[in-house]
Amino acid sequence: ETGVTQTPRHLVMGMTNKKSLKCEQHLGHNAMYWYKQSAKKPLELMFVYSLEERVENNSVPSRFSPECPNSSHLFLHLHTLQPEDSALYLCASSQGVLGNTIYFGEGSWLTVV
Amino acid sequence: AQSVAQPEDQVNVAEGNPLTVKCTYSVSGNPYLFWYVQYPNRGLQFLLKYITGDNLVKGSYGFEAEFNKSQTSFHLKKPSALVSDSALYFCAAQDPYRGSTLGRLYFGRGTQLTVWP
Repeated sequence: ETGVTQTPRHLVMGMTNKKSLKCEQHLGHNAMYWYKQSAKKPLELMFVYSLEERVENNSVPSRFSPECPNSSHLFLHLHTLQPEDSALYLCASSQGVLGNTIYFGEGSWLTVV
Repeated sequence: AQSVAQPEDQVNVAEGNPLTVKCTYSVSGNPYLFWYVQYPNRGLQFLLKYITGDNLVKGSYGFEAEFNKSQTSFHLKKPSALVSDSALYFCAAQDPYRGSTLGRLYFGRGTQLTVWP
């Protein structure tokens, strides 16, 4: 149903692990986003890529490392995370012009133990 | 800076009754406003948006929203609620990133809507 696909849907990792979240959009968009949704905070924008170049990093800790190899794929590399990083990570895409709708994937539930 | 407020954490309504989920905004310039819905264990689904034009915007699943510039509000409405409408609803405002044409969203905290049979 969704034009934005995220894998895995669920991930449990230890604090010393390295893992990656993957996002793929099938909508022909030129901008992609990572958002974080946690229980106690509003949805937070983490990273924005437009035409494969990162244009925003909202002071996200370096233990989160994004990669955008092309306009259809976006990764979030995770290493030495903390338990407070446990959250739902949402990928989104848009035709990155103001007023255009931003479409979200189903999210990846991350639990750090 | 843009901000969006959803003053109610929860809204409860009986099936068949009209529903309203409130949203107020504070933006500089022309507002671009959105509503999204999130069902349990799912991502955000787009419902509707206001860019310009008619103050009453119609969207998916019978939802509509009324833009009121003087009250800086963008309330979500539905004439007759369904049990299946029970979900988490997010209002959002979009602004241009650093003067570019790229839009980004600022979200409210969300309102949990429960429709009782």
